[in-house]
Amino acid sequence: DAMVIQNPRYQVTQFGKPVTLSCSQTLNHNVMYWYQQKSSQAPKLLFHYYDKDFNNEADTPDNFQSRRPNTSFCFLDIRSPGLGDAAMYLCATSRGLRLGTYEQYFGPGTRLTVT
Amino acid sequence: AQTVTQSQPEMSVQEAETVTLSCTYDTSESDYYLFWYKQPPSRQMILVIRQEAYKQQNATENRFSVNFQKAAKSFSLKISDSQLGDAAMYFCANDMRFGAGTRLTVKP
Repeated sequence: DAMVIQNPRYQVTQFGKPVTLSCSQTLNHNVMYWYQQKSSQAPKLLFHYYDKDFNNEADTPDNFQSRRPNTSFCFLDIRSPGLGDAAMYLCATSRGLRLGTYEQYFGPGTRLTVT
Repeated sequence: AQTVTQSQPEMSVQEAETVTLSCTYDTSESDYYLFWYKQPPSRQMILVIRQEAYKQQNATENRFSVNFQKAAKSFSLKISDSQLGDAAMYFCANDMRFGAGTRLTVKP
């Protein structure tokens, strides 16, 4: 089945130690998103890729970076995690010549704990 | 800026009954799409229903339907014949913006 896969499902890192979360998709969608979701809150968009074009949200901290080496894979790098970065990180994909037209397909998320 | 507001943090419904979840939004776009997503406990978010703003007819997917009031910028979700498996967080979304969610409990 076509799907969005996130690895690992659970990640524990130390304060200030860089961490990378990965996402892969078999849907061949051209748009990939990264969201941060804290407990009982709405998913907050960090950035998205439209093909190779990177689009950062204005309020996304510089501590968060992303890479998309090819259509299938996208990575979220947190350069110096703080306690406030502990959250669920959701990867999603969508089709779309125009953003916001098509539904997003979500991965199961990576729960990040910062100690 | 686009915003999405869900004013009901929690809702409860008896199994087999009907429940309506509320959502309002604000957008400067003239052509846009609205979505309801379901996030079951410890499971991934999935699409429930999608509405195109230029279509006057309300979208329907089996037991799920919407009441789309474009002038009022309101987009509510109605779940008929509620089932235990409907228990989840429900998020309303416009473009890449999500509401705060409504936690739906279904009582047997």
